[in-house]
Amino acid sequence: QKEVEQNSGPLSVPEGAIASLNCTYSDRVSQSFFWYRQYSGKSPELIMSIYSNGDKEDGRFTAQLNKASQYVSLLIRDSQPSDSATYLCAVVPSGGYNKLIFGAGTRLAVHP
Amino acid sequence: DGGITQSPKYLFRKEGQNVTLSCEQNLNHDAMYWYRQDPGQGLRLIYYSQIVNDFQKGDIAEGYSVSREKKESFPLTVTSAQKNPTAFYLCASSMAWGGAQLRGEQFFGPGTRLTVL
Repeated sequence: QKEVEQNSGPLSVPEGAIASLNCTYSDRVSQSFFWYRQYSGKSPELIMSIYSNGDKEDGRFTAQLNKASQYVSLLIRDSQPSDSATYLCAVVPSGGYNKLIFGAGTRLAVHP
Repeated sequence: DGGITQSPKYLFRKEGQNVTLSCEQNLNHDAMYWYRQDPGQGLRLIYYSQIVNDFQKGDIAEGYSVSREKKESFPLTVTSAQKNPTAFYLCASSMAWGGAQLRGEQFFGPGTRLTVL
């Protein structure tokens, strides 16, 4: 069974701090990696995609991928209360074509 | 205004009833998906379709059925055989797999919350 693991949290950070969210995956040959943000009662929204080792930055968000360690992370700089949500890590497994495997999500709480 | 729509937003089912959840997209996406989300849990794949008139079972297909008669539409029926259907149901779509531009990103509709009475 191919798995994606996340710490459920809650991860509590003060406003203006860096939030660091982590995800590990079991399928060594996974190809594509995504972070979705889900506000309470709403559907997931794609915020970052990463496909190769290293860092990818988009505004206050940075995704980091280390395929050797089977590890992907999301950094949120200058965290705002509006960033408070559950963050879902998703992975395209080997041979999975369009399929995604989701982690259970990490709940982030940014307090003023 | 392109996007994915799901209806209804809230749905209540009595024991023994079949209910159908609607999902429509105007993004010209080839692939469509149905997921189920239970409180505090991740998304679990019910069914997916990569092309019209073809669909495959996901990880938790028992008690559900789908059809894909049009590219834009992928309705999900929750049958009476599904013993614990209360959940948040999410429809998603994506471009077909392949090519440098197409890496598996899926985009979600607003969801349908189903409750069994």
